Amino acid sequence: DAGITQSPRYKITETGRQVTLMCHQTWSHSYMFWYRQDLGHGLRLIYYSAAADITDKGEVPDGYVVSRSKTENFPLTLESATRSQTSVYFCASSGTYNEKLFFGSGTQLSVL
Amino acid sequence: AQSVAQPEDQVNVAEGNPLTVKCTYSVSGNPYLFWYVQYPNRGLQFLLKYITGDNLVKGSYGFEAEFNKSQTSFHLKKPSALVSDSALYFCAVRALPTNAGKSTFGDGTTLTVKP
Repeated sequence: DAGITQSPRYKITETGRQVTLMCHQTWSHSYMFWYRQDLGHGLRLIYYSAAADITDKGEVPDGYVVSRSKTENFPLTLESATRSQTSVYFCASSGTYNEKLFFGSGTQLSVL
Repeated sequence: AQSVAQPEDQVNVAEGNPLTVKCTYSVSGNPYLFWYVQYPNRGLQFLLKYITGDNLVKGSYGFEAEFNKSQTSFHLKKPSALVSDSALYFCAVRALPTNAGKSTFGDGTTLTVKP
């Protein structure tokens, strides 16, 4: 189906493990974003990308790595997961700098 | 740096009454302002946006928002609230040229509409 999809929907992992969250969009949108949502903090930007091979840090990038070799994919990797990274992660995309964002359904990550 | 403030964590209104959810912003340059709604266990959905032009913007589900440049505000409003409007609401800003399209969100406001 067309749209923006995230996988997995739920993930449980242990501290120290590497985890990759996937995000795929079918619109060829230029902009893609990764946010985490925590109670009391709203949505905080982790990384964003304005185009393939162009990425930049957001508010809370430490402990995360991204890549964007293809326009449609924007994976987020936790290099060595920590309990503080337990959160709901949302991927989003938009076509231009002033358009609305389209959000995926989110990945609920628990780090034990 | 750009920022968004939603001063109320929670707004409670009775069904049929008007509602307002407040948002103020800070940017360098012209702001592009958005409201999104999130229902439980779902991603965010777009409600409305202000890019330029008329300061009163109309959006989905009967919502509207008023852009006030002097007060740097973009409050969300609805003339008559429904119980089904109960959800978490986020205000967001995007601005150029300094932030390359980055979208910054407020902390969210939980709206509860009671029958």
